[in-house]
Amino acid sequence: DGGITQSPKYLFRKEGQNVTLSCEQNLNHDAMYWYRQDPGQGLRLIYYSQIVNDFQKGDIAEGYSVSREKKESFPLTVTSAQKNPTAFYLCASSLSSYNSPLHFGNGTRLTVT
Amino acid sequence: KNEVEQSPQNLTAQEGEFITINCSYSVGISALHWLQQHPGGGIVSLFMLSSGKKKHGRLIATINIQEKHSSLHITASHPRDSAVYICAVTDWGADGLTFGKGTHLIIQP
Repeated sequence: DGGITQSPKYLFRKEGQNVTLSCEQNLNHDAMYWYRQDPGQGLRLIYYSQIVNDFQKGDIAEGYSVSREKKESFPLTVTSAQKNPTAFYLCASSLSSYNSPLHFGNGTRLTVT
Repeated sequence: KNEVEQSPQNLTAQEGEFITINCSYSVGISALHWLQQHPGGGIVSLFMLSSGKKKHGRLIATINIQEKHSSLHITASHPRDSAVYICAVTDWGADGLTFGKGTHLIIQP
């Protein structure tokens, strides 16, 4: 079955460490997204990519970095520059970047202490 | 940037009741999405619509473009419908979605 896999489900890090969240899809989708979810707030867009080797900043990109070297993979690195990294991170993909249904992974809950 | 408001924020109902969740937005859109998030955190896309009405099983989604308003209805609600329902919109020419804060629905047996 096609889908999006995020790993790990739970991740714990010490303050000051960079951490990379994995996102893999086998849906042959061109567009991929990273969202952050905090309690009481709507999902917010961190980065998105419409094609391989290209990506754009979303609304809250500061302190994060991404790469898109393969169509199937869109890893997110949370750097030590991110002031409040503890959150639930969701990866999504869609066939194209414009008006296509989104498919989501199951998320990674990152806790930084 | 669009502002998406959902109501109610929380809703508790008895099994079998007809459920309505509302979503309004501030700026014209190209599409509206209804999503379902279960306690584990994963999100499933229920509907994407730009006009009219769509139905899937016991779920019905409607949109009124002129009034900038959409509703999600659940008929014959069941405890397994308990989840957070999220409305999201795509602005014209934009990449990515703007999300509402979600409606937390609990269906009691």
